[in-house]
Amino acid sequence: AQSVAQPEDQVNVAEGNPLTVKCTYSVSGNPYLFWYVQYPNRGLQFLLKYITGDNLVKGSYGFEAEFNKSQTSFHLKKPSALVSDSALYFCAVRPGSARQLTFGSGTQLTVLP
Amino acid sequence: EAQVTQNPRYLITVTGKKLTVTCSQNMNHEYMSWYRQDPGLGLRQIYYSMNVEVTDKGDVPEGYKVSRKEKRNFPLILESPSPNQTSLYFCASSASMATNEKLFFGSGTQLSVL
Repeated sequence: AQSVAQPEDQVNVAEGNPLTVKCTYSVSGNPYLFWYVQYPNRGLQFLLKYITGDNLVKGSYGFEAEFNKSQTSFHLKKPSALVSDSALYFCAVRPGSARQLTFGSGTQLTVLP
Repeated sequence: EAQVTQNPRYLITVTGKKLTVTCSQNMNHEYMSWYRQDPGLGLRQIYYSMNVEVTDKGDVPEGYKVSRKEKRNFPLILESPSPNQTSLYFCASSASMATNEKLFFGSGTQLSVL
């Protein structure tokens, strides 16, 4: 069975500094990986996905993520954090054979002014 | 505007009183799904549907029912709610899970079962 781990419940970063939100996964076969963001009182919104090809994928709002097969990780990054990036971030994985996404437990990102 | 619409936004009920949470999408999506969100547990899938009249259990289906009679609608039914079903519920849809199309989420339904 597939699983996703987000080891940090909370990440705090100063505005203008780079940010990283960590994600590791466990699947059989090739994984399809996703990041979603949830703002307060809203549903989740898609940020980016890795399907195949270049290990560095770029997404919405200046976010990017790096797929590392040897470390089974898919960390979310942004070079310069904004206060408006403060939100709950979810990593998700779908093995090639599965018909459903498995989500991590979420990481609350707080960007301090 | 492309959207997934859930109703109601908030719901307080009592144990055993049947309820339905509606979900509708206007994007002609094939795939629809229900999730519940609980602190520290992330999103867990309840049921999903690959297309009309095709539904499958997710990770936590006990105590829930769904139906997919029309492509746009995917209601979630709790026939005898219990307090452990107090949670934040999200409906989502996608053009296709097989080709990794992104999920569109509704705004959520906060359910409290007393």
